[in-house]
Amino acid sequence: NAGVTQTPKFQVLKTGQSMTLQCAQDMNHNSMYWYRQDPGMGLRLIYYSASEGTTDKGEVPNGYNVSRLNKREFSLRLESAAPSQTSVYFCATGTGQPQHFGDGTRLSIL
Amino acid sequence: SQQGEEDPQALSIQEGENATMNCSYKTSINNLQWYRQNSGRGLVHLILIRSNEREKHSGRLRVTLDTSKKSSSLLITASRAADTASYFCATDSSGGFKTIFGAGTRLFVKA
Repeated sequence: NAGVTQTPKFQVLKTGQSMTLQCAQDMNHNSMYWYRQDPGMGLRLIYYSASEGTTDKGEVPNGYNVSRLNKREFSLRLESAAPSQTSVYFCATGTGQPQHFGDGTRLSIL
Repeated sequence: SQQGEEDPQALSIQEGENATMNCSYKTSINNLQWYRQNSGRGLVHLILIRSNEREKHSGRLRVTLDTSKKSSSLLITASRAADTASYFCATDSSGGFKTIFGAGTRLFVKA
């Protein structure tokens, strides 16, 4: 039982490049979330999806897009990466509380 | 904006001692949660306390909630080296779909 799986685990990009972070859950939850974690900042919500077919902006959505592909998968896309997007990205799932997290994608943008 | 703010930012104790972490928040909540994060891993849920509860226990964990002061505390008794991690409080917001996390307390337990 994998829970929440994120790929890739590490990635280095150059400024202006694009990439998609993948997240899949096998917990049959309706809601999925994308967060970023920066030193001393805790987790900040980028986007969330309350159910299949819906997505909504969180606290820091600028520079990102998301796709809720189906109930299991929720992807995060950086169209034109910027150094300010260097962070650790976490996907989470949960119907109400609590949330269940993947182990993160560590993204560096040079 | 951060709803929860933990205090202290970092805590270093000896194995066997108790560790207390505090969390303050700004707005009314439905519940408050505590999560743990080991280095290089995702957050793991520890305990949830509802707004109408004052205290909750789970194993060596004790959580209190004071809604009048908008604060919570997490007590870990008889700490172990394996308790070394960052601990985050989190509160819900309207609609129950957004959980707002604090910046965390880094706990180091020396063997």
